[in-house]
Amino acid sequence: DQQVKQNSPSLSVQEGRISILNCDYTNSMFDYFLWYKKYPAEGPTFLISISSIKDKNEDGRFTVFLNKSAKHLSLHIVPSQPGDSAVYFCAASAGGGNKLTFGTGTQLKVEL
Amino acid sequence: DGGITQSPKYLFRKEGQNVTLSCEQNLNHDAMYWYRQDPGQGLRLIYYSQIVNDFQKGDIAEGYSVSREKKESFPLTVTSAQKNPTAFYLCASSLTSGSTDTQYFGPGTRLTVL
Repeated sequence: DQQVKQNSPSLSVQEGRISILNCDYTNSMFDYFLWYKKYPAEGPTFLISISSIKDKNEDGRFTVFLNKSAKHLSLHIVPSQPGDSAVYFCAASAGGGNKLTFGTGTQLKVEL
Repeated sequence: DGGITQSPKYLFRKEGQNVTLSCEQNLNHDAMYWYRQDPGQGLRLIYYSQIVNDFQKGDIAEGYSVSREKKESFPLTVTSAQKNPTAFYLCASSLTSGSTDTQYFGPGTRLTVL
């Protein structure tokens, strides 16, 4: 049972435009959410996180939105840059613990 | 400079052999983790350790074993009991095991069992 779902395996966006990556979850116990970025043959790098007590968190070009009632979060990247091309994973944890459940990832391609 | 190292980057083994993957961190982190990534799938937790001399099974621990004798080191052994060992293995660490402590990942080891 996939508790964290990223239903779009790939996304293509033009440089300078907004990239929106989506993530849905089914476990209502999840209370902390993270986005990681991953290049091929490398480990993921942390991008941004959000606690369930918030509905938005912003860090530079990256903003994460959380809709608890819909069990949905999204990552907005504005403006998108070619260096943003990577696989993006959302992840979630529950109950104050650090055991992460990952989605399957979305491959973002930012085109010139 | 501080970080997480995994060695080797690529590893080949014959079927039926046990193999140990190395993970070392000099970040002074208490918690360490092992994940596995397969094509088209997310990362799945194999084992994690919140403190030295303690570790717990993750979601897919069968066929794997770990030890945590030192704070800096968390080696993973892939045993012959693991039915599909070929995968990309990632080690991570965090300051503590609290949910808001970011997990930092190593570069990974790609294991191919022939």
